[in-house]
Amino acid sequence: DQQVKQNSPSLSVQEGRISILNCDYTNSMFDYFLWYKKYPAEGPTFLISISSIKDKNEDGRFTVFLNKSAKHLSLHIVPSQPGDSAVYFCAASFQGGSEKLVFGKGTKLTVNP
Amino acid sequence: DVKVTQSSRYLVKRTGEKVFLECVQDMDHENMFWYRQDPGLGLRLIYFSYDVKMKEKGDIPEGYSVSREKKERFSLILESASTNQTSMYLCASSPPAGGPYRTGELFFGEGSRLTVL
Repeated sequence: DQQVKQNSPSLSVQEGRISILNCDYTNSMFDYFLWYKKYPAEGPTFLISISSIKDKNEDGRFTVFLNKSAKHLSLHIVPSQPGDSAVYFCAASFQGGSEKLVFGKGTKLTVNP
Repeated sequence: DVKVTQSSRYLVKRTGEKVFLECVQDMDHENMFWYRQDPGLGLRLIYFSYDVKMKEKGDIPEGYSVSREKKERFSLILESASTNQTSMYLCASSPPAGGPYRTGELFFGEGSRLTVL
């Protein structure tokens, strides 16, 4: 049973526009959420995170929104750049620890020049 | 900078061979992990270790074992490789919660792409 779901396998946007990547989770015990970015032939790198006590966290062009009642989070990238083209993984954990991070299947973002 | 190094970027092995994937981290992290990444399946946890000689099964431990004799090194072992173990294997480490790192942040190696023929 998939606890973290990224229902869009791919997303294509134009450079300069907003990219919105979505993630849903089923387990209400998750209290910390992270986004990772992965380029081909490289390991994933941490992008941004949010605790369940917040509903928004911002870091430069990246903002993560958390809607606990809907068990939904989203990553906004504004403005999108071609270098943002990568696979984005949503992940969740219990009690704020990194043990047993549960990952979604990923969304491949393509930003067209 | 945290560095997680995986010994082999690309390996080709035959069915039935014993395969060792090595991972070393240089930041004195307590926690180390092995994931595999497959298209359409995302990242799935195989095993993790929270201390030397300690290990716990992840979501898909079948067909794998691990070894952590030293804090900086975490090895993944495929006792008898099979074609369904063809995958990208990713090692990661993390410090304990708190400190200068954001909670839950894993540091990944570049991955080892294993092909089993």
